[in-house]
Amino acid sequence: AQSVTQLGSHVSVSEGALVLLRCNYSSSVPPYLFWYVQYPNQGLQLLLKYTTGATLVKGINGFEAEFKKSETSFHLTKPSAHMSDAAEYFCAVRTFFGNEKLTFGTGTRLTIIP
Amino acid sequence: DTEVTQTPKHLVMGMTNKKSLKCEQHMGHRAMYWYKQKAKKPPELMFVYSYEKLSINESVPSRFSPECPNSSLLNLHLHALQPEDSALYLCASSQGGPSSGNTIYFGEGSWLTVV
Repeated sequence: AQSVTQLGSHVSVSEGALVLLRCNYSSSVPPYLFWYVQYPNQGLQLLLKYTTGATLVKGINGFEAEFKKSETSFHLTKPSAHMSDAAEYFCAVRTFFGNEKLTFGTGTRLTIIP
Repeated sequence: DTEVTQTPKHLVMGMTNKKSLKCEQHMGHRAMYWYKQKAKKPPELMFVYSYEKLSINESVPSRFSPECPNSSLLNLHLHALQPEDSALYLCASSQGGPSSGNTIYFGEGSWLTVV
């Protein structure tokens, strides 16, 4: 079984401030982890993913995330928030052994304060 | 830009109507998916096709009927829907089937309103 917990359904940061969106997972086997972004009235766009190898993963739009196995976490960060980052962010997990199902967290709505 | 194309973008249908949502990808992906997303909620998996065969059906009511005519196309046939079926329906695809590290690419979605 696999699950994802996103702490904080709403996060507000000032423009130029650090963005930190939290994601913890539960999986009995090695996980593959993903962050997706959804802008209003649009589909989901992949920001970044962790499969194997380097635990610090860089994605699009200046975002990055670090896989920490000991903490079962995959938090998303960006050093300096832009107004255009305002969106819904979903963390998701798939397991290694051929499970095609992608399990999403409940999402975090990011608001940028001018 | 997404390479998963969904039509129509918006659909309003009555509870007695029959309609279809269509999805197309030309990335050579062999797994295709339908997800349903209600407002302020994460996407929920409905169906998975792997190599054109239905591999996962998440106990979806029979008023939703998927079809995969070929490796590039995925349809969702709708009949006798209820107002609570109103949602954003997302199509997605990924390379290969069982290799779960593959990225799932999503389309822009079809907004369905049942009246």
